[in-house]
Amino acid sequence: GQQVMQIPQYQHVQEGEDFTTYCNSSTTLSNIQWYKQRPGGHPVFLIQLVKSGEVKKQKRLTFQFGEAKKNSSLHITATQTTDVGTYFCAGSGNSGYALNFGKGTSLLVTP
Amino acid sequence: KAGVTQTPRYLIKTRGQQVTLSCSPISGHRSVSWYQQTPGQGLQFLFEYFSETQRNKGNFPGRFSGRQFSNSRSEMNVSTLELGDSALYLCASTAGRGGEQYFGPGTRLTVT
Repeated sequence: GQQVMQIPQYQHVQEGEDFTTYCNSSTTLSNIQWYKQRPGGHPVFLIQLVKSGEVKKQKRLTFQFGEAKKNSSLHITATQTTDVGTYFCAGSGNSGYALNFGKGTSLLVTP
Repeated sequence: KAGVTQTPRYLIKTRGQQVTLSCSPISGHRSVSWYQQTPGQGLQFLFEYFSETQRNKGNFPGRFSGRQFSNSRSEMNVSTLELGDSALYLCASTAGRGGEQYFGPGTRLTVT
């Protein structure tokens, strides 16, 4: 079945450094979504990418969807302590709607 | 709009018992999905309901079941609880197919 792999599992950065998490699927995705979960909280939707090669920006966050629609990345520029949390990608395949979540990247930002 | 609500928030059960968790989606949302979240396995999809019908199912044993009512509220049931069922159970509602999911705060289930 479809698998979504996410790396790295953990990332510890100093405030002001950049951060990137990568998501790879074993099959072509119809779309990919990104979520953020703060410690003790629940996942909160960040963005959805649908088109091949799509790039979207939200302030310091840049999201990319690969040309083959099998990989995606989230890049945060100049991290802040408020960026702390676990970032999940979630993809759905062409044959169904069910979202498959990656295991997430836990980001720790120290001042 | 009120967000997704889940009850109870915390639950402690013993092995062999059964448990029922409840989820009320955002008003107007007809799709409800359930996930199990554990530190080792991340977020794993259990099932999705739309208009009272199970539309998708994850790779979980038959001890895990669910249903959805005509008002879109959903319940999931786990029978014959095992220690490994200890997890945070999250439900999420969606306005339409493939859209963003709004998660509830989750039910923390501990099986002893």
